[in-house]
Amino acid sequence: KNEVEQSPQNLTAQEGEFITINCSYSVGISALHWLQQHPGGGIVSLFMLSSGKKKHGRLIATINIQEKHSSLHITASHPRDSAVYICAVGYYQLIWGAGTKLIIKP
Amino acid sequence: DAGVIQSPRHEVTEMGQEVTLRCKPISGHDYLFWYRQTMMRGLELLIYFNNNVPIDDSGMPEDRFSAKMPNASFSTLKIQPSEPRDSAVYFCASSSDVTGFAKNIQYFGAGTRLSVL
Repeated sequence: KNEVEQSPQNLTAQEGEFITINCSYSVGISALHWLQQHPGGGIVSLFMLSSGKKKHGRLIATINIQEKHSSLHITASHPRDSAVYICAVGYYQLIWGAGTKLIIKP
Repeated sequence: DAGVIQSPRHEVTEMGQEVTLRCKPISGHDYLFWYRQTMMRGLELLIYFNNNVPIDDSGMPEDRFSAKMPNASFSTLKIQPSEPRDSAVYFCASSSDVTGFAKNIQYFGAGTRLSVL
């Protein structure tokens, strides 16, 4: 069993839909990261959280330490949100999820 | 700041040749990471440095791979000799341990796409 599991693996939605991507982990963690990898390959860090909730624009990340679960939400999704979203746990040596490929259709 | 800068963006070489990938971290960051991404294995941490000192190189696949950080603003990842199975995208990232909003967030370079023929 992978230490960091993401679901779904693939997600296709229509523009404007509310998107939820889930991440469950089995290891004790100090921090959890959400990153975005663009179709061109570039990786951007979206959030790092160790408790509660963070919001940036249309993106919201939550974490439940007791349940070892985090979610990334996208409100009012747009085709430019199409990317692979990756969950990773740790501070320095990150343990990576396999990623969720999101496609938003106009 | 210009962000993490990697060069070259693309590298095509023949098997057996030496390949050197370069990375300039964000100024002031004291951690530097080298990752490799392939379809089969996803993102793998190869090695990371703290204050120019290698901390963990357990992810380096074999002796053909070596990494150096001669100063706080420059690191290299060298493959000698290169093999076709080394073909991948290599990312460099840097982070800071300074307390604050950006603490420990890893900022990635654009990556180097390596093709070994």
